[in-house]
Amino acid sequence: EPEVTQTPSHQVTQMGQEVILRCVPISNHLYFYWYRQILGQKVEFLVSFYNNEISEKSEIFDDQFSVERPDGSNFTLKIRSTKLEDSAMYFCASSEGPSVGSVKETQYFGPGTRLLVL
Amino acid sequence: RKEVEQDPGPFNVPEGATVAFNCTYSNSASQSFFWYRQDCRKEPKLLMSVYSSGNEDGRFTAQLNRASQYISLLIRDSKLSDSATYLCVVIPPGGFKTIFGAGTRLFVKA
Repeated sequence: EPEVTQTPSHQVTQMGQEVILRCVPISNHLYFYWYRQILGQKVEFLVSFYNNEISEKSEIFDDQFSVERPDGSNFTLKIRSTKLEDSAMYFCASSEGPSVGSVKETQYFGPGTRLLVL
Repeated sequence: RKEVEQDPGPFNVPEGATVAFNCTYSNSASQSFFWYRQDCRKEPKLLMSVYSSGNEDGRFTAQLNRASQYISLLIRDSKLSDSATYLCVVIPPGGFKTIFGAGTRLFVKA
């Protein structure tokens, strides 16, 4: 069964450093998403991406964040200058189609990258 | 009012019990609704989509009440393996932003 993969599974970094989180979405999916979940809190939407551009982003997704699809398979989230409060689990997800009531809208999640900023 | 609101629980039930979770949402124009489950420190996994007519998958039944803006999930004959956090997910108009509820924690005990 196809699945979303993410690397690394864990990342420890110093405050102010840049990190890049990597995701390989399911191969025939066209819509990609990043979420974060701070320990003990709910899953929060960061950004959605389609056709090589951001389709929607949340208030959390400020100028220190960026996303990219550098090749045909990877989807990355870059945090330019990490803060302590960026410590969280980051999930990537993908779906076949947009969320307009079709079966293709289902989002499949990767196992996450646990980011710890010291 | 929160965009998506769930009773945090926890719900502690014995094996074989029937348990129901509710979720309310604030944007009446929302089109898509889902229940996901999340095990501790794992990714959310789709349990079922929720359609206007209601839908059933084995022991799980989901209902949508648009007039009252709530979604429900019924689990019959609970198993130990059902212990998890159940996440209500709503997608507002536009289709690209996804809103998760804070989750309802379920413990099923032998």
